[in-house]
Amino acid sequence: GIQVEQSPPDLILQEGANSTLRCNFSDSVNNLQWFHQNPWGQLINLFYIPSGTKQNGRLSATTVATERYSLLYISSSQTTDSGVYFCAGRYGGATNKLIFGTGTLLAVQP
Amino acid sequence: SAVISQKPSRDICQRGTSLTIQCQVDSQVTMMFWYRQQPGQSLTLIATANQGSEATYESGFVIDKFPISRPNLTFSTLTVSNMSPEDSSIYLCSVQSDGYTFGSGTRLTVV
Repeated sequence: GIQVEQSPPDLILQEGANSTLRCNFSDSVNNLQWFHQNPWGQLINLFYIPSGTKQNGRLSATTVATERYSLLYISSSQTTDSGVYFCAGRYGGATNKLIFGTGTLLAVQP
Repeated sequence: SAVISQKPSRDICQRGTSLTIQCQVDSQVTMMFWYRQQPGQSLTLIATANQGSEATYESGFVIDKFPISRPNLTFSTLTVSNMSPEDSSIYLCSVQSDGYTFGSGTRLTVV
């Protein structure tokens, strides 16, 4: 089946540090999204990025669809960035299913 | 993008009982999706709900355990039936709208 792998699985940062999270997918996607799940379980949509680069404040994301990976950059991290980051991809064909990656647990320490 | 209201936000239930989770969308959508997130795990799709037809369940999920209703284009319910502690999870609904949008989730604990 389709595999969406994320790395690293866990990450601890000091406040102010930068980080890069990676998402590798086993097949071509036509919808790639990054989500942040806060400690209360809410999923916040960060980026819808099937290809190219987008930026939103301290966060940016790049998807290289031909090489089947996406990167999420977090700059000048803050404690409120803590939580789990998921990438998820929708695959071609009739299905509209979104397949989630394994997640990266980020802890930003003051 | 669409806004989804999901309730309840959390519940603690006795084993053997059932819980119905509701999702209301502020716009009409063709498909709604239900996910389960077990503790410390990623999200897994339970089923896809289309209005006017039976839901399509993913491997490992069955209608008797997770019956779904989709009476109109803005509303859906998921019932977790005959619960056991293994059903303790976060359940989320989702729609496709400028990418995918998720409800705030239902944190279920079965005791």
